[in-house]
Amino acid sequence: DQQVKQNSPSLSVQEGRISILNCDYTNSMFDYFLWYKKYPAEGPTFLISISSIKDKNEDGRFTVFLNKSAKHLSLHIVPSQPGDSAVYFCAASDASNDYKLSFGAGTTVTVRA
Amino acid sequence: DAEITQSPRHKITETGRQVTLACHQTWNHNNMFWYRQDLGHGLRLIHYSYGVQDTNKGEVSDGYSVSRSNTEDLPLTLESAASSQTSVYFCASSPGSETQYFGPGTRLLVL
Repeated sequence: DQQVKQNSPSLSVQEGRISILNCDYTNSMFDYFLWYKKYPAEGPTFLISISSIKDKNEDGRFTVFLNKSAKHLSLHIVPSQPGDSAVYFCAASDASNDYKLSFGAGTTVTVRA
Repeated sequence: DAEITQSPRHKITETGRQVTLACHQTWNHNNMFWYRQDLGHGLRLIHYSYGVQDTNKGEVSDGYSVSRSNTEDLPLTLESAASSQTSVYFCASSPGSETQYFGPGTRLLVL
């Protein structure tokens, strides 16, 4: 049973606009959340993370929001650029489970010129 | 520069054959992981290791094995390849934190 869900397989956004990617989780023990970005024929690369003690973390154009009560997190990319076209994976970790990550199925983002 | 590499990058094999995928990292990370990526499933954990001589099963470990004889390497072996094991395989390592760093992947086709 998948504990991390990304219900939107794809997202198309115009260059310069905001991209919002969503992720839901079911395991209330998760206390650390990460976003990875993946280009074709490459491995995932770490993008941004957030601890459960925070509700927002920002790094340049990327902001992750965490709503623990709703078991929901989102990644905002502002402004979207053509190089942001990639697959984005949401991942979650439970500190009592030795740093193992549970991944969502991914969302493919296409940024249109 | 420290890095994580995987070999081969592409592999075609036949059902029933034994296949070994290599993973090598030069970060001196204790933790290493193997995942498979399939459409609709994201990344699923196959096996992982927290140090030399330590190996553990992940959620999809059937038909796979690993061994850890040194810090740098965690080879993944498919004992008897099956068509269901056609996938893209990623190795990752971490220094003991939640953030994992991934290799470039191996695309495996089992005919």
